[in-house]
Amino acid sequence: TQLLEQSPQFLSIQEGENLTVYCNSSSVFSSLQWYRQEPGEGPVLLVTVVTGGEVKKLKRLTFQFGDARKDSSLHITAAQPGDTGLYLCAGLWASGGSYIPTFGRGTSLIVHP
Amino acid sequence: GAVVSQHPSWVICKSGTSVKIECRSLDFQATTMFWYRQFPKQSLMLMATSNEGSKATYEQGVEKDKFLINHASLTLSTLTVTSAHPEDSSFYICSARKFPSGPTYEQYFGPGTRLTVT
Repeated sequence: TQLLEQSPQFLSIQEGENLTVYCNSSSVFSSLQWYRQEPGEGPVLLVTVVTGGEVKKLKRLTFQFGDARKDSSLHITAAQPGDTGLYLCAGLWASGGSYIPTFGRGTSLIVHP
Repeated sequence: GAVVSQHPSWVICKSGTSVKIECRSLDFQATTMFWYRQFPKQSLMLMATSNEGSKATYEQGVEKDKFLINHASLTLSTLTVTSAHPEDSSFYICSARKFPSGPTYEQYFGPGTRLTVT
């Protein structure tokens, strides 16, 4: 089983602040996905990164994949209360031809108005 | 689109009874579906991987006789919690992977099922 470390576990910030969430592994990812989940609902896919060094933007969210494809980050600029939720990264490794996703522990974000 | 539904969205059952949860991919075919369990404010714990037409692969520590998984078609997988006990109370979420999935192997999640065992 591959290990995926996600940090921080909890974030409580004021509206307008910036924040970064990190996802790291000692192994090279085939790809990595970021999700956002609200209470009582299933996770919603935000982005998939595949290529080392890749940067993707989704409005105020910036996703970066490390050059070595062992780490990724999610940066939110000028956080809004609507950004509140659980952010999850999920890494995929090729293991015997199957691509079983492994989730990080999640980052619970609260943005105060 | 890639819509996954789950039914029921919530269920309350008595201890000792069995509960079936359905996971459907509504607008795509899914050869692989995953079943997760999630506790409050925690991440998803993979329970099993379900491949259409074959037996599910369970993660270590998950009782296959207690959590029965059937993936009879390309759009439907079911999870049956047998002889449920209060400690089985949890949020169960399924996800489905499109066929063919391409190089990103993305999965799409259902809305989850809240199970409460009394």
